[in-house]
Amino acid sequence: AQSVSQHNHHVILSEAASLELGCNYSYGGTVNLFWYVQYPGQHLQLLLKYFSGDPLVKGIKGFEAEFIKSKFSFNLRKPSVQWSDTAEYFCAVVASGGSYIPTFGRGTSLIVHP
Amino acid sequence: ETGVTQTPRHLVMGMTNKKSLKCEQHLGHNAMYWYKQSAKKPLELMFVYNFKEQTENNSVPSRFSPECPNSSHLFLHLHTLQPEDSALYLCASTPQAATNEKLFFGSGTQLSVL
Repeated sequence: AQSVSQHNHHVILSEAASLELGCNYSYGGTVNLFWYVQYPGQHLQLLLKYFSGDPLVKGIKGFEAEFIKSKFSFNLRKPSVQWSDTAEYFCAVVASGGSYIPTFGRGTSLIVHP
Repeated sequence: ETGVTQTPRHLVMGMTNKKSLKCEQHLGHNAMYWYKQSAKKPLELMFVYNFKEQTENNSVPSRFSPECPNSSHLFLHLHTLQPEDSALYLCASTPQAATNEKLFFGSGTQLSVL
């Protein structure tokens, strides 16, 4: 079974700082990768996803993520964060050819100070 | 709004109580999911229903009993819970299970077991 590790559990940044959140997964086969975001008091929603093709994926609100197959990683980045990016971020993996049920990491709490 | 509605938003119950969580979606989706979100832990899949049939039970204790009367409604019946069952319970849906479609989440029910 696949698993997902998010090593940064809590991140605190000032506005305009650059962001990188780590996500590593354990699965040897083909995967589809997702980042979800949960803003305070709101539901989880999709930020971006990778299925195939260009390993650099761009999502909403200026976020991007890069799939590095050799490192089993799918790190989330944003060059300049805003206070409104304060949220919980979850990485998820779907193993192709399996049950297609997403496996989630434990999440990273991001606080951005104005 | 994602189109997935969960009620109640908050629930406090004693260990001997019986209560139910409700999830409703009018997106025309045929797959519905229950996830448990606890602090400092990954999102845990509990149950999956596809076209009203349960397709996944992730070794969930029998004190949690799901019910899916139709593709639009999903219930989680709770009975003799333990304090460690306190968590945010999330419902999600997709057009059908076993695909790479993104999950549409509800806002969750915050459950406290005393």
